[in-house]
Parts: sequence; structure tokens; C-alpha cells
Amino acid sequence: QKEVEQNSGPLSVPEGAIASLNCTYSDRGSQSFFWYRQYSGKSPELIMFIYSNGDKEDGRFTAQLNKASQYVSLLIRDSQPSDSATYLCAPSNTDKLIFGTGTRLQVFP
Amino acid sequence: GAVVSQHPSWVICKSGTSVKIECRSLDFQATTMFWYRQFPKQSLMLMATSNEGSKATYEQGVEKDKFLINHASLTLSTLTVTSAHPEDSSFYICSASEGVEKLFFGSGTQLSVL
Repeated sequence: QKEVEQNSGPLSVPEGAIASLNCTYSDRGSQSFFWYRQYSGKSPELIMFIYSNGDKEDGRFTAQLNKASQYVSLLIRDSQPSDSATYLCAPSNTDKLIFGTGTRLQVFP
Repeated sequence: GAVVSQHPSWVICKSGTSVKIECRSLDFQATTMFWYRQFPKQSLMLMATSNEGSKATYEQGVEKDKFLINHASLTLSTLTVTSAHPEDSSFYICSASEGVEKLFFGSGTQLSVL
């Protein structure tokens, strides 16, 4: 079983909608997570770090962590075409930082 | 936010030559740096974890004699691809950790081996 699993997508949403991206993990010891965004041909950029159960909001982004169910999600409100990218999650509490395969998001006008 | 500088951004080399890629944390000290490789339309694949002053820890399947990693200071790690071959052509990305909550990526290096 992979350490981190994400639906590769693409996830297509209309402009202005809420995009919901999910990530499940296998290690119950994982305490905190990163969400990154990666545009094609570019390196990842940090969107969010979350370590507590529940929600964390930053602008249009909300990360949700559920340790009991072992999933972490990212909601993007008012999605824009510029949000079209691949979104990667990774647990942050390991010596080696392993990313999921990423979910490709497409926001169409 | 913190800045991680990686260069060169792209490099083209002949088969059999060696290529060095540098990764610098510009405004923080990075005790740990990670090196990734990414093929087109695929996810980041962790190659090795580099800790300042010690030998790098390589992931299974990554040849340590081919991909030499040196982390000589708290702000600099280098990856040398030795005797590069066309199958080594890929996008190489470094990242540097400023504490458990902050991990920043360099801009990446596109390597093309002819």
C-alpha cells in the first residue's frame, strides 16, 4: 500500500465553484501534512500546512484533517482558471518526505 | 517566504559527462534537504535525504554512486549526476526544510542528456 494516495484526476470544475481534493494516508503516526500546488514544468509551491484535526483556512483555501479516518483534504473556494494545476499532499513528520501522485485540477471558464 | 535557489535551471550535456546541480537556502539554515526527480506527467520521486555533515540517505533503487549528494554546509547541497545517460534526463528538484512546518522547493533543473 502506498503511503499517500490521491486520485490522479483530472478533476474538472467550473470557475467559481468549490474544488475538493482528497488525500488518504496509511501511517497512523502521521501527525501533520503539507499541501502543495505544482504548475506544469514548475516546482511545487506551498499552500498549506495542517497539524490539528479539523479545518484550517487561508484565504480561498481550507485544509481539513481527520486523523481517525486518515484523510486530509483541500477545498478551494471560488475556483479560478489560474488554480488549474496539480495538487500534492505529503505527511510532514517523517524523515523522508513522500508525496502522493497528485490530483490534477482543471478549472474551466 | 523563505527562498531556495537552485541552479542551473536547465542543462544539456553529452552522454558520459557529469553534471552538478546546486541547491542553496538563501535566508535560513537547512539541516535537511531532499532531492527529487520528476518525469513528465509523473509525481515527484524522492531520491535521497541529505543532512548537513553526514552521508545522504538514498531511496531504494537510487544508485548512490551515480547520484552523488554533498551537504557540506547548512545552506548548500549539491547533486552530481555522474556519467549521465539519456535515461537520466529528467526534472530534478531540491527542497530545504526550515523546521517541520516549512519545506520550500528550488525552481528545479531540467536535465537533458544527448
